[in-house]
Amino acid sequence: DIQMTQSPSFLSASVGDRVTINCKASQNINRYLNWYQQKLGEAPKLLIYNANSLQTGIPSRFSGSGSGTDFTLTISSLQPEDVATYFCLQHNSWYTFGAGTKLELK
Amino acid sequence: EVQLVESGGGLVQPGRSMKLSCAASGFTFSSFPMAWVRQAPTKGLEWVATISTSGGSTYYRDSVKGRFTISRDNAKSTLYLQMNSLRSEDTATYYCTEGYGMDAWGQGASVTVSS
Repeated sequence: DIQMTQSPSFLSASVGDRVTINCKASQNINRYLNWYQQKLGEAPKLLIYNANSLQTGIPSRFSGSGSGTDFTLTISSLQPEDVATYFCLQHNSWYTFGAGTKLELK
Repeated sequence: EVQLVESGGGLVQPGRSMKLSCAASGFTFSSFPMAWVRQAPTKGLEWVATISTSGGSTYYRDSVKGRFTISRDNAKSTLYLQMNSLRSEDTATYYCTEGYGMDAWGQGASVTVSS
């Protein structure tokens, strides 16, 4: 089974900061990596699919990069509405999720 | 707009059964594989089961094989998860998701297995 190691598990940042969240796969998953945002009490929302493709309707301050085993989600300028938990999903071989990163405002 | 609405959760005793439903709208349901994902309290997300567009192929994680059955009714745009022989470790919020890449998610149905 493919394991996904997500870091950090908790992140505190200020409005306007550049924020990065990482996911590392235990083996090559090509670009089959998605990023999601989940706000309290809401359904998870797809932000980035296939490592670096921005889902329709998602602000351009969100971006994804990486391939193989190492992936990054970047928020270029943190906004108050970005407070949420973020998690990654590999869908190269079945499905495995990262443990999540809780992002809060400093 | 894609909408997925789960229903059927609640409290159930160990060893008993429960059936979850997921009503889909806003897309051509019959054209997309569907899946169930769960999240136990204070734990991470884990994939539970996937069903092909026609329903002819189904896939399960090992821990639910033989106990859970995923199915779909394309005429009703509805996904189901029949859960039998429930265990305390099945306690979780269950989400239905759309597509190979889990593009859209419902808000989840809470299932608590406890005596």
